[in-house]
Amino acid sequence: EIVLTQSPATLSLSPGERATLSCRASQSVSSYLAWYQQKPGQAPRLLIYDASKRAPGIPARFSGSGSGTDFTLTISSLEPEDFAVYYCQQRGNWPLTFGGGTNVEIK
Amino acid sequence: ELQLLESGGGLVQPGGSLRLSCAASGFTLSSYAMTWVRQAPGKGLEWVSAITVSGDDTYYADSVKGRFTISRDNSKDTLSLQMNSLRADDTAMYYCAKDLRLLGTLDSFDVWGQGTMVTVSS
Repeated sequence: EIVLTQSPATLSLSPGERATLSCRASQSVSSYLAWYQQKPGQAPRLLIYDASKRAPGIPARFSGSGSGTDFTLTISSLEPEDFAVYYCQQRGNWPLTFGGGTNVEIK
Repeated sequence: ELQLLESGGGLVQPGGSLRLSCAASGFTLSSYAMTWVRQAPGKGLEWVSAITVSGDDTYYADSVKGRFTISRDNSKDTLSLQMNSLRADDTAMYYCAKDLRLLGTLDSFDVWGQGTMVTVSS
């Protein structure tokens, strides 16, 4: 099973600041990595797929990068609605797996 | 608007069974591989099971293998998850999710339902 490790567990930032979230895979997943945002009481929402492709309707302030085992989600300037939990997910191999999440909270 | 709606959750005793269903609106569910993902209270996301478009191939997390069965009825455009021998650690919100790509598998998920809660307790 491919283990995804997200860091940091919690990121405390202010609106307007840049957020950098990391996801590290225990073995290569090529570019087969996605990022999701989840707010309390809501289902996850797909932000980025195949490491760097924005899903339809996702603002340009969200960007993804990386390949192999190291991936990054960057939010260039945090908006109030961006404070949420973010998960990475790999589709390189069965079983599909998710990272443990990064909570982006208001400082 | 593309939507998924889960049903069938509830309170069940340890060792009991429950069947979850998922229906789509705004798209043809039968054209996509589908997945179940769960989330225990206050915890992260856990992939549970997936099924190909034809239904010929199914995949399970080790934690549910042998106890859960995923299936689909393409004539009714529905997805199901039969859960047997339920345990306390199966308590979670269960989401059905649609694969991003048509006719694919091993994918990301672009449409999610709002979830149905399963509580396993005596």
